[in-house]
Amino acid sequence: RKEVEQDPGPFNVPEGATVAFNCTYSNSASQSFFWYRQDCRKEPKLLMSVYSSGNEDGRFTAQLNRASQYISLLIRDSKLSDSATYLCAVKSRGYQKVTFGTGTKLQVIP
Amino acid sequence: GAGVSQTPSNKVTEKGKYVELRCDPISGHTALYWYRQSLGQGPEFLIYFQGTGAADDSGLPNDRFFAVRPEGSVSTLKIQRTERGDSAVYLCASSQGVGTGGHNEQFFGPGTRLTVL
Repeated sequence: RKEVEQDPGPFNVPEGATVAFNCTYSNSASQSFFWYRQDCRKEPKLLMSVYSSGNEDGRFTAQLNRASQYISLLIRDSKLSDSATYLCAVKSRGYQKVTFGTGTKLQVIP
Repeated sequence: GAGVSQTPSNKVTEKGKYVELRCDPISGHTALYWYRQSLGQGPEFLIYFQGTGAADDSGLPNDRFFAVRPEGSVSTLKIQRTERGDSAVYLCASSQGVGTGGHNEQFFGPGTRLTVL
């Protein structure tokens, strides 16, 4: 089983739709969680860190479920510019290396 | 301020050659990371520096790969006797470092696309 798993998609959604991605992790010692956005042939850009209580940044909401070992990203009112690959990333307690999922591709359609 | 920079942006080399990839982290960031990313995959961890020392090199695939950070700022990833399977995008990231609070988020450079013919 991979340490971090994501549905690769693609998720094709119309503009204005709400879309959610999940990411599961296998290491119960995981401590820090992140969502990154990556555009084609570009570097990953940090979208948001995921806090235990959940956090929101504009149209984006991240949640952590430690019991079931997954994190989620919800995007409301999707824009064409949200089209990208969304990578989840996990860091374990005591370590600084980050383990990434393979990413979920989102395509927002006009 | 300036972000992480990497040079060259593209490198084409022949099988068996030696290559060096350079990373200049965000000013003031003490932690530096190297990852590589193949098509359709997420970044794969290679090595992490805290200051000048390699704190975790568990991701280096074999002894052909080596990285240095002699003055605690710029880092060079060195690959000897390159193989076609080394072709990937090599990403560098930096962060403020351990003990600075928060999640120690990592910020990536634009990467070096390495092609081994």
